[in-house]
Amino acid sequence: TQLLEQSPQFLSIQEGENLTVYCNSSSVFSSLQWYRQEPGEGPVLLVTVVTGGEVKKLKRLTFQFGDARKDSSLHITAAQPGDTGLYLCAGATGTGNQFYFGTGTSLTVIP
Amino acid sequence: DSGVTQTPKHLITATGQRVTLRCSPRSGDLSVYWYQQSLDQGLQFLIQYYNGEERAKGNILERFSAQQFPDLHSELNLSSLELGDSALYFCASSVWGEGTDTQYFGPGTRLTVL
Repeated sequence: TQLLEQSPQFLSIQEGENLTVYCNSSSVFSSLQWYRQEPGEGPVLLVTVVTGGEVKKLKRLTFQFGDARKDSSLHITAAQPGDTGLYLCAGATGTGNQFYFGTGTSLTVIP
Repeated sequence: DSGVTQTPKHLITATGQRVTLRCSPRSGDLSVYWYQQSLDQGLQFLIQYYNGEERAKGNILERFSAQQFPDLHSELNLSSLELGDSALYFCASSVWGEGTDTQYFGPGTRLTVL
């Protein structure tokens, strides 16, 4: 069962453009994480958000957790080719460490 | 390099066969997780171990089993393989396996069932 839906599924943009990726669910999450995965490698954690409405910034990346803790967004400013990869959101529904992963957004930044 | 190692990197086998995937966690991590990633199902949590004991179970088939050994390495056993089992299998590890404890993923094992 897929609890988290991401949109868009695929995104191809020019270097320097801005973009937003969305992660939506009908379930409430105790915490939500964003990962980036490059071809042939495992996902790498970018950020963890735990409080409804929380906003975290990581250089050109801005992450927001929805007020109701059911959704999240990732905004990238002035995208660079190095941002290319598969972006995954993952939510935990309890106090455990079991995360449910989203459907993924494949981002390509063209130089 | 996450510090998590997985072997083998690639595995090609036939339907009906049994394979074992191995994972060594980062030094000091007590918890190990197994995930399956396929094009149609995305990244699916299979099972979690903490210090040798099963802690959580996800979408793991009965044909699959896992264990974590006293030295904390883990093995995922896949039996009676079917074409649909072809996927990337990732192992991840974390220190405590609770809350928002960061999971570090290995490079994966690509399984192809012919």
